[in-house]
Amino acid sequence: QKEVEQDPGPLSVPEGAIVSLNCTYSNSAFQYFMWYRQYSRKGPELLMYTYSSGNKEDGRFTAQVDKSSKYISLFIRDSQPSDSATYLCAMISSGGSNYKLTFGKGTLLTVNP
Amino acid sequence: GAVVSQHPSWVICKSGTSVKIECRSLDFQATTMFWYRQFPKQSLMLMATSNEGSKATYEQGVEKDKFLINHASLTLSTLTVTSAHPEDSSFYICSARTGHEQFFGPGTRLTVL
Repeated sequence: QKEVEQDPGPLSVPEGAIVSLNCTYSNSAFQYFMWYRQYSRKGPELLMYTYSSGNKEDGRFTAQVDKSSKYISLFIRDSQPSDSATYLCAMISSGGSNYKLTFGKGTLLTVNP
Repeated sequence: GAVVSQHPSWVICKSGTSVKIECRSLDFQATTMFWYRQFPKQSLMLMATSNEGSKATYEQGVEKDKFLINHASLTLSTLTVTSAHPEDSSFYICSARTGHEQFFGPGTRLTVL
């Protein structure tokens, strides 16, 4: 079983739709959870960063973490064509010098005008 | 958010030459810097981790003599691809860590002819 599982999609939605992106994980040592957005031929851009169970909202984006179920989500409201990108979940396990960032495979999202 | 820059953004070189890529954290001091490579439609693959003033730690399968990493300061790391060959053509992305957040550069596209 991989440490982080993410459906690669592709996911295609109409403009204005609510998008739900999800990852599951198996490593209980993961303490910090991120979502990155990567446009084609660009480096990943940090969108959301959380470290506790619950919801965190930033504009049209909401990150949700459920540590008991080992499940994280990113919701995008009122999706726009400019949201078309690959979304990567990422998780950090950190203890002393043992810092490690683990990515999901990424979900390719297309928002159609 | 914190900004990480890379230079150059793209480079074309002849087989057998060496190429240096610079990575800078512009508005923060990075505890650690990372180098990734990414092939088309694939996820990021960690190549090496470096801390300022110490030798880089390379991932399994990455040749340390081919991919030289120098972490001269808390804001600058360089990756030198020595004696580059066409199979080294890829998208190289650096990343810098501060606390439990990791920020990525825009990437450097290397094409070896």
